[in-house]
Amino acid sequence: KNQVEQSPQSLIILEGKNCTLQCNYTVSPFSNLRWYKQDTGRGPVSLTIMTFSENTKSNGRYTATLDADTKQSSLHITASQLSDSASYICVVSAGGGNTPLVFGKGTRLSVIA
Amino acid sequence: KAGVTQTPRYLIKTRGQQVTLSCSPISGHRSVSWYQQTPGQGLQFLFEYFSETQRNKGNFPGRFSGRQFSNSRSEMNVSTLELGDSALYLCASSLSWDRAEKLFFGSGTQLSVL
Repeated sequence: KNQVEQSPQSLIILEGKNCTLQCNYTVSPFSNLRWYKQDTGRGPVSLTIMTFSENTKSNGRYTATLDADTKQSSLHITASQLSDSASYICVVSAGGGNTPLVFGKGTRLSVIA
Repeated sequence: KAGVTQTPRYLIKTRGQQVTLSCSPISGHRSVSWYQQTPGQGLQFLFEYFSETQRNKGNFPGRFSGRQFSNSRSEMNVSTLELGDSALYLCASSLSWDRAEKLFFGSGTQLSVL
């Protein structure tokens, strides 16, 4: 069964600190992996999309890594800001064209002053 | 360029009623997908449309239905509402159904069923 598991479920960090969110997947065949940021009451916004051949991708203070062999991805946030408080959702796309995206349940990050 | 627009933003209904939610995709986007989001389950796929044709459907009962119009705008309908249908309903659009395409989400419709 295609699944995406994220950890931790929630995280509280101090402003200015770094953090890493984890995503493990069992989706096969693999097409791409995406990280989304979702502010409370808003729709998700894309941070990165990574294909099989990409190991690392950055978007400002956000850096995503992908290990297709172990089927793991991480999202590293550097020098966190209060505005980083949001849910971060890992989404995996299976190959085959017609297969729906598989969503993780997200990690709720709270950045406090 | 305007983003994905969902209306209404908030909706309160009672059990047994029906509801219609609307989604206007980004101009030029022909693929629209719908998702239900609840705190416990995360985002769950409802259905996907491309050029007025339903390409995929999630595991939801027949009370959930949708359609897409020739201008790519989409609607979803939920009949005989149940308390468990309370959720944030999100619509996303993309240029095509290609799984490599970036998805752009609307802000959602928050549905409360009393």
